[in-house]
Amino acid sequence: EDKVVQSPLSLVVHEGDTVTLNCSYEVTNFRSLLWYKQEKKAPTFLFMLTSSGIEKKSGRLSSILDKKELFSILNITATQTGDSAIYLCAVEASGGGSNYKLTFGKGTLLTVNP
Amino acid sequence: DTAVSQTPKYLVTQMGNDKSIKCEQNLGHDTMYWYKQDSKKFLKIMFSYNNKELIINETVPNRFSPKSPDKAHLNLHINSLELGDSAVYFCASSRRRDTGELFFGEGSRLTVL
Repeated sequence: EDKVVQSPLSLVVHEGDTVTLNCSYEVTNFRSLLWYKQEKKAPTFLFMLTSSGIEKKSGRLSSILDKKELFSILNITATQTGDSAIYLCAVEASGGGSNYKLTFGKGTLLTVNP
Repeated sequence: DTAVSQTPKYLVTQMGNDKSIKCEQNLGHDTMYWYKQDSKKFLKIMFSYNNKELIINETVPNRFSPKSPDKAHLNLHINSLELGDSAVYFCASSRRRDTGELFFGEGSRLTVL
């Protein structure tokens, strides 16, 4: 069964700190790894990573994938209170034929205090 | 306009009842999904439809029946509700069946008493 493990499960930091969130996975027929941010309600897409070693960046957020060691990290620099959320890692793998499905990790609950 | 909208947002009902949750997307996407997020916050796929065709059906009790009347709508009907069905149900859509970039609705919180 496909497995996605995130760590830490929760993290409390102060504004301005830099955080690193981890995601490791075991899946067959890997296609991509994705990061989502879930505030109060709907998860929203952050990044999709398909190639090892290529950093994706969006503002203060960046992410990188290591397909050899089967993990990804999500970095957030100069954190702000608005970064407080659950960060979900998901791996997309073949569900048979041309169907792909996402397996989500439990998420990391990040709390940024002022 | 909300891209993926679900109704109702909250649902409280008794065990044994039957209930439905509706979902509509106005993004023109081909693929729609139902996910369940339980109390431990795990998001798990239940069903996926591509252009009204069921393409993924995880091991979900057959009390759960999805229906897609057209590619913009995916509804979820649940028969004989049980306590363990209490969760937040998220509808999502994607441009195609082979992309992991999903657009989620705001969720429907179902509480079974």
